[in-house]
Amino acid sequence: DQQVKQNSPSLSVQEGRISILNCDYTNSMFDYFLWYKKYPAEGPTFLISISSIKDKNEDGRFTVFLNKSAKHLSLHIVPSQPGDSAVYFCAASAQGTSGSRLTFGEGTQLTVNP
Amino acid sequence: EADIYQTPRYLVIGTGKKITLECSQTMGHDKMYWYQQDPGMELHLIHYSYGVNSTEKGDLSSESTVSRIRTEHFPLTLESARPSHTSQYLCASRPGGFSEAFFGQGTRLTVV
Repeated sequence: DQQVKQNSPSLSVQEGRISILNCDYTNSMFDYFLWYKKYPAEGPTFLISISSIKDKNEDGRFTVFLNKSAKHLSLHIVPSQPGDSAVYFCAASAQGTSGSRLTFGEGTQLTVNP
Repeated sequence: EADIYQTPRYLVIGTGKKITLECSQTMGHDKMYWYQQDPGMELHLIHYSYGVNSTEKGDLSSESTVSRIRTEHFPLTLESARPSHTSQYLCASRPGGFSEAFFGQGTRLTVV
């Protein structure tokens, strides 16, 4: 079953506006969440993370929000820039299980238009 | 800058050939992973390792095998490549639970 889901395959925003990418999870054992950015034919690069004891983490233009009761997290990018255009993956892991593997969502293609 | 490397970056190979995808990291991480990813799809875990001489199969059934004889090296082998193996293969390492995983640049494999 799909434990991490990103229900929006694509998102298009104007340069300078806010991009909001969403992610839902079903496994209540997940205690660490990450966002990655990926270009075609390259490996994912880490953007930002949050542990389950927090509800917000901010790093420059990127903010991640975690709502544990709803099993939902989101990534806010503001202001959006054309260079942000890429596929964004949400990932989650649970301490002490199976090598601390990361479970990924399907990804959201973000396009930022100049 | 992450110190994890995959070779080759691109590989086109004929059906039935044996191939090994290389992955090396210089960060001393115990945990290493192989993921498979197709366009528009999530990354599927196919193998992982806790450390030297420890390997496990992941969530996605795969005909590949892995070995972990040294901490820094985690190669993936396909004994007989088939067109269904065409995909991007991503190697990653991670120091612990509350940390990011570092990915290599990936190998784009095409089996013809």
